[in-house]
Order: sequence, then C-alpha cells, then structure tokens
Amino acid sequence: LAKTTQPISMDSYEGQEVNITCSHNNIATNDYITWYQQFPSQGPRFIIQGYKTKVTNEVASLFIPADRKSSTLSLPRVSLSDTAVYYCLVVLYNQGGKLIFGQGTELSVKP
Amino acid sequence: DVKVTQSSRYLVKRTGEKVFLECVQDMDHENMFWYRQDPGLGLRLIYFSYDVKMKEKGDIPEGYSVSREKKERFSLILESASTNQTSMYLCASRSGGQGIETQYFGPGTRLLVL
Repeated sequence: LAKTTQPISMDSYEGQEVNITCSHNNIATNDYITWYQQFPSQGPRFIIQGYKTKVTNEVASLFIPADRKSSTLSLPRVSLSDTAVYYCLVVLYNQGGKLIFGQGTELSVKP
Repeated sequence: DVKVTQSSRYLVKRTGEKVFLECVQDMDHENMFWYRQDPGLGLRLIYFSYDVKMKEKGDIPEGYSVSREKKERFSLILESASTNQTSMYLCASRSGGQGIETQYFGPGTRLLVL
C-alpha cells in the first residue's frame, strides 16, 4: 500500500511561506495526492489535491514533480490560525478513493 | 457546503455497554466511512460503505459493526464496549465511484469507555 512520509513537526512565524514535503515512493499510476488540515478536536478538512505538476487554490499550492515520488504543500504567508496538523495522503484510485493516513506534520506558527 | 454531522461530540460509556455512534451527511453521497484516531497511530479505517445496506471491513474492524439502512446515515456499533475502544471516532463521506472525489469529515465523537 502507498505510504507517505512527512516531517513530524515544523515551526514557522507569521507571514512566512511554509513548505511541507512528503514522500510517497510507492504511489501507483492512477493514484492522486491529497492534503488535509486538522485542528485539535475537529475532523480533518480538505485543503488541496493533485496528480502532477502544480495545483493552486485560494488556500495553498501543491507541487508534484514528474516522478511523483514526492510532493510539497506550500502555504503562503501563514498566520497563527494555520497552526494545525497537516496530513499528506495518497488517494487509492482503484480502491474507491481509499485514504491512507500517516502521522501528519504538526505545524506551529508563532507571532 | 457539504455537511457531515455526528450525533455526539463527547460520550462516556461503561465497559460492556452497547454503543451507537451516528453519522449523517446531507450531500447524497454514496460512500461513507468510519475511522478512529489515536495519538501516535493517526487515523485508521474501521468500516466503509459504498451504498445502502453495503459494508466493507477496513483495517481494524474487530469489535465493531456498522449499519447503513438509509443513504444519508451510517452507524457505528460497539457491541460490547471495552476500554481499548476509548478514542476519537470520525465519520466521512464522499460521492461514489472510483476516482478522486474528496472525503468530507464530521467533527468527531470523543468516546471514553470506563
């Protein structure tokens, strides 16, 4: 099964750009990469999803190189409210969109 | 906006009790999921359902069962609660078929079994 590896924790300051890199060496041809955000005592919230190259929405950007063995979530100009756990996930296309959750990256944004 | 609601945010039960956790989604999604989340272990899939009256075991189904009598509702049942089932339980839903449709999560139910 596709498994992801990401840093356990990261620190940043308000206004900085934060990049969280995830590796997924065993990703299959049809699988997608998706990122979720989770605040304490809340369910995960979808941030962004992509297959290759670059995807951007109003919240973040996702960069996926050609070999698709890694991806980078980019959060522009973070604020204190971006302090959360960020999960990188592979969406198993051929298993009904099953998600495999890893440990996530705990991002702490400081003033 | 997709809304996934769970019947309780916090629940305290005693060992041996039968526990029902309810999940309702309002987007006519075919697929629904139950996870549990524990420190150091992340989210683990317990059961999922692709349609009414259909269910599939996830990675950790032991000690749990599910019911999907209506499309919008997916129930997780602990037949005889045990202390090792103390956890945060998360429900999710997504539209059907293979592919990349997003899973939307509920707020979670924090269950304490004494």
